[in-house]
Amino acid sequence: DAGVTQSPTHLIKTRGQHVTLRCSPISGHKSVSWYQQVLGQGPQFIFQYYEKEERGRGNFPDRFSARQFPNYSSELNVNALLLGDSALYLCASSFWGGEAFFGQGTRLTVV
Amino acid sequence: QQQVKQSPQSLIVQKGGISIINCAYENTAFDYFPWYQQFPGKGPALLIAIRPDVSEKKEGRFTISFNKSAKQFSLHIMDSQPGDSATYFCAAGVGTSGSRLTFGEGTQLTVNP
Repeated sequence: DAGVTQSPTHLIKTRGQHVTLRCSPISGHKSVSWYQQVLGQGPQFIFQYYEKEERGRGNFPDRFSARQFPNYSSELNVNALLLGDSALYLCASSFWGGEAFFGQGTRLTVV
Repeated sequence: QQQVKQSPQSLIVQKGGISIINCAYENTAFDYFPWYQQFPGKGPALLIAIRPDVSEKKEGRFTISFNKSAKQFSLHIMDSQPGDSATYFCAAGVGTSGSRLTFGEGTQLTVNP
C-alpha cells in the first residue's frame, strides 16, 4: 500500500519567490495536516484540513496558505519566501481522530 | 502556550541497554500522546501511542509510561540495538484532532555496538 507521498522531495528557491508543495494522503484518509520542521527541532503544526475545509491553523504568518482537493490531496503554498522558511515540510494524513502518518517531506532551501 | 518539553537532548547507550526519554506537558486538555522515530532524510514514523486512561502501554521492546498527575510521560526502549539509533520525538494532541500535534524538541539516540 502506498503511504503518504509528497512532491517535490527537494526544492531550492530564491528569497521573495513563491512555492507550492504537494501531498497525496493514504487511500481512505480524509484528513491532511502540514508541519514545518526546522533542522534540529521538532515539527511545528501549520494547517489541518478535513473534508476540504480548514480545521486548524498554527502560529504561522498569512504568507502560508493551503487547500485540499476533492480527492483529498493537498497543497501548501508559501508566498514571499524568507531565508527562515528553509525547512523540511511534512505532510501527515489520518482518518479523523486517528493516528497521523507522515510522508518523507519536502526539503525547501531558500537562498 | 501549548508546549511539550523533552529530555535529554541526546542519549548514548550501549547495545542491550535501556534507553529512557522523558517528556512533560502543560496543557491538561491533551489526551493523546504518541512517540515518533525519525531517521535522517525521512519523515517521522509512529512508534507507539497512549491515551491517559492507562498508565503504561507496551509494544515489543517499546514501553510508554504515563503519569497524569505529574503531566509527564516517557519512552523506554529495552534491549536497545544499533538500528534504534535515530531521533525520537514525543508529541501531544487533543481529542479527535489526532493529527494536530504539538511535538517535543527531539532526542538524538545513539546505540553503540
